[in-house]
Amino acid sequence: KNQVEQSPQSLIILEGKNCTLQCNYTVSPFSNLRWYKQDTGRGPVSLTIMTFSENTKSNGRYTATLDADTKQSSLHITASQLSDSASYICVVNRMDSSYKLIFGSGTRLLVRP
Amino acid sequence: EAGVVQSPRYKIIEKKQPVAFWCNPISGHNTLYWYLQNLGQGPELLIRYENEEAVDDSQLPKDRFSAERLKGVDSTLKIQPAELGDSAVYLCASSRRGVKDEQFFGPGTRLTVL
Repeated sequence: KNQVEQSPQSLIILEGKNCTLQCNYTVSPFSNLRWYKQDTGRGPVSLTIMTFSENTKSNGRYTATLDADTKQSSLHITASQLSDSASYICVVNRMDSSYKLIFGSGTRLLVRP
Repeated sequence: EAGVVQSPRYKIIEKKQPVAFWCNPISGHNTLYWYLQNLGQGPELLIRYENEEAVDDSQLPKDRFSAERLKGVDSTLKIQPAELGDSAVYLCASSRRGVKDEQFFGPGTRLTVL
């Protein structure tokens, strides 16, 4: 079954601290993996997109890693800010005729002052 | 460049009533998606359009849900009649050409069925 599992489900950190969010997937065949940030009451916004051959990609203070062999990805947030409080959703694109996007349930991050 | 526009942003109705959501994708984007998002969950695809053709509606509950994308631009998603379990956020997204391209999401419509 094609699944995307994220952990932790929720996380609280202090402003300025770093954190890492995890994503494990069983989607096959695999095309690409995306991390989205979703602020409360808003639609998801893309942070990074990685293909099979890429194992790291950065977007400012966000760095995503991908291990296609173990089917794991992580999103590292450096020097967190209050505005980082949001849900972070891992999405895997299945590479077949349907080209479906498989969404994880997200990690809800709260950054406290 | 304007983003994906959705209306209304919020809708409260009583069960068994009809409801419709409207989406205007980013100009030039051929692919349009409707998603349902329950609280604390990731979005779930309801239907995907390539221009005016619905190419994937396998997850759309066709007994009560319908969608259309006339002229391959704006789209409307309708529920008739609404049930309590339909309370959720309905997201519209668009991409330039197909699912391999980045999807841009609208702000969503939060539906509450009483």
